[in-house]
Amino acid sequence: GDSVTQTEGLVTLTKGLPVMLNCTYQTTYSPFLFWYVQHLNEAPKLLLKSSTDNKRTEHQGFYATLHKSSSSFHLQKSSVQLSDSALYFCALSDRQGGRALIFGTGTTVSVSP
Amino acid sequence: NAGVIQTPRHKVTGKGQEATLWCEPISGHSAVFWYRQTIVQGLEFLTYFRNQAPIDDSGMPKERFSAQMPNQSHSTLKIQSTQPQDSAVYLCASRILGGNYAEQFFGPGTRLTVL
Repeated sequence: GDSVTQTEGLVTLTKGLPVMLNCTYQTTYSPFLFWYVQHLNEAPKLLLKSSTDNKRTEHQGFYATLHKSSSSFHLQKSSVQLSDSALYFCALSDRQGGRALIFGTGTTVSVSP
Repeated sequence: NAGVIQTPRHKVTGKGQEATLWCEPISGHSAVFWYRQTIVQGLEFLTYFRNQAPIDDSGMPKERFSAQMPNQSHSTLKIQSTQPQDSAVYLCASRILGGNYAEQFFGPGTRLTVL
């Protein structure tokens, strides 16, 4: 069946360093990939989305490129801030948006001063 | 725009009691989704309504769980005879229909604790 895999459960790093969170997926339909960020006791909020192969999408300093050849949509940031400490989910749906989101297990990012 | 509204924010029930969770989607959003979030299972899809009609309930436990959307302004998730394993944050999300795919907007969730 369809699935999303996030390999890192917890990433700890120091402010100013780069970060990459891995996301791979499996699906039989044309994919739409998302990154959601969830701060403590808050609702998940959309960070990035893409359905276009090999096109980089950016928002709030974060960026990701959907690579259909490798079924990946890794999230990156060049320099993390303390406020980036949160839970990050990669999610999958279809291009028509007729399906619910399938979420990965999530990666907690903890940024220290 | 108040966003997706979920009430109550916290609910504590005793084992065997009923719990009803409410969701008010963003005005104009015709698709409503329910998810459950736990530390162990992460975010799991429960059920999905489009224009108030149930479209997909494949994630709903077959017993004790039911969901309705009696009008376009609210949806309810009911859990009968709650069990400790039902303890979770229940999230409601909504989105518009048509055009290019639109993001799902999530509510703050209802934290259900079953004692």
